[in-house]
Amino acid sequence: DTGVSQNPRHKITKRGQNVTFRCDPISEHNRLYWYRQTLGQGPEFLTYFQNEAQLEKSRLLSDRFSAERPKGSFSTLEIQRTEQGDSAMYLCASSPRQESNSPLHFGNGTRLTVT
Amino acid sequence: GESVGLHLPTLSVQEGDNSIINCAYSNSASDYFIWYKQESGKGPQFIIDIRSNMDKRQGQRVTVLLNKTVKHLSLQIAATQPGDSAVYFCAERWTGGFKTIFGAGTRLFVKA
Repeated sequence: DTGVSQNPRHKITKRGQNVTFRCDPISEHNRLYWYRQTLGQGPEFLTYFQNEAQLEKSRLLSDRFSAERPKGSFSTLEIQRTEQGDSAMYLCASSPRQESNSPLHFGNGTRLTVT
Repeated sequence: GESVGLHLPTLSVQEGDNSIINCAYSNSASDYFIWYKQESGKGPQFIIDIRSNMDKRQGQRVTVLLNKTVKHLSLQIAATQPGDSAVYFCAERWTGGFKTIFGAGTRLFVKA
């Protein structure tokens, strides 16, 4: 399967702990996105990478959140000092290039539960 | 502000009937629109897209209609099947932007 891969699929953590998620995009895609989705809502944009450069961060992404894409391939999203409000599905998506108006290809997400 | 919304949160149809899912968008600068299907426990899956220079585009059993005058988008599913049961999201983007903005979604139930 050459789609977007996310790990882990599920993560349960206690409030105050740090968590890290990984995303492996489709190999030829140079654009990578992180979204957050809560129950009954559409995905909300968090951040965007073009190759290794992080070009935009949403105001939703507090200082506790950090994302990296060190070699322009896989990406990690870290949440420090987790709060119960961080509980959500974290989705990663990739696309080949913007100019062609290509759609995002999503992974199956990491579901985070903060207890 | 920029937003994508949906008229109906839930739609229930009989198997074999046609389904129509509607969506309103507010950003007149948007020029690319996408429909996604999301099944439980999975990420959104691309269904069909349309650019603003078109008003209709057809795929396999699906048709997207775009009315820029009233900023309205719809997804038509022909001969709806149980496997079509899912949440459907419309999304928008504009040239030069990189964010795809999603609405809240419509849940489609297909009755056998």
